[in-house]
Amino acid sequence: DAMVIQNPRYQVTQFGKPVTLSCSQTLNHNVMYWYQQKSSQAPKLLFHYYDKDFNNEADTPDNFQSRRPNTSFCFLDIRSPGLGDAAMYLCATSRNRDYNEQFFGPGTRLTVL
Amino acid sequence: AQSVAQPEDQVNVAEGNPLTVKCTYSVSGNPYLFWYVQYPNRGLQFLLKYITGDNLVKGSYGFEAEFNKSQTSFHLKKPSALVSDSALYFCAVRGNTPLVFGKGTRLSVIA
Repeated sequence: DAMVIQNPRYQVTQFGKPVTLSCSQTLNHNVMYWYQQKSSQAPKLLFHYYDKDFNNEADTPDNFQSRRPNTSFCFLDIRSPGLGDAAMYLCATSRNRDYNEQFFGPGTRLTVL
Repeated sequence: AQSVAQPEDQVNVAEGNPLTVKCTYSVSGNPYLFWYVQYPNRGLQFLLKYITGDNLVKGSYGFEAEFNKSQTSFHLKKPSALVSDSALYFCAVRGNTPLVFGKGTRLSVIA
């Protein structure tokens, strides 16, 4: 089945130690998104790629970076995680940016010690 | 800027009764409206969307939603609730930017 896969499902890191979260898709969608979700709050969009075009949200901290080496894969890099970065990170894809629904992965829960 | 309001943090309903989860929106231009459901420790699952056309939209798992332009609402409904419907429900709107989500409504269906 076509799907969005996130690895790992659970990630523990230390304060200030860089961490990378991975997302892959078999849907061949043009757009990939990264969201941060805290404690059953609304998902907050960090950035998205439309093909190779990177789109950063204005309030996304510089500590968060992303890479999309090809259509299938997208990475979220947190350069120096703080305690406030502990959250669920959701990857999603959509065929295009207009009215297409987004397909979400299961998420990676990040713990910062 | 677009925004979504879900006025209820929690909705409780007895199994077999109809359920409604409320959503109102604000957006410039034509709205694209979505409902998603989230089960514990899982990603969001798409339920249904309104783009254009018939104001009553039918989606997955027996859910439907009614688009009301004059009231800027897009309430989620189901005629007969199941215990397995208990989850967190998000309304979302797309205007000029990617999706903006409401804060979510926790639905609890009691047997």
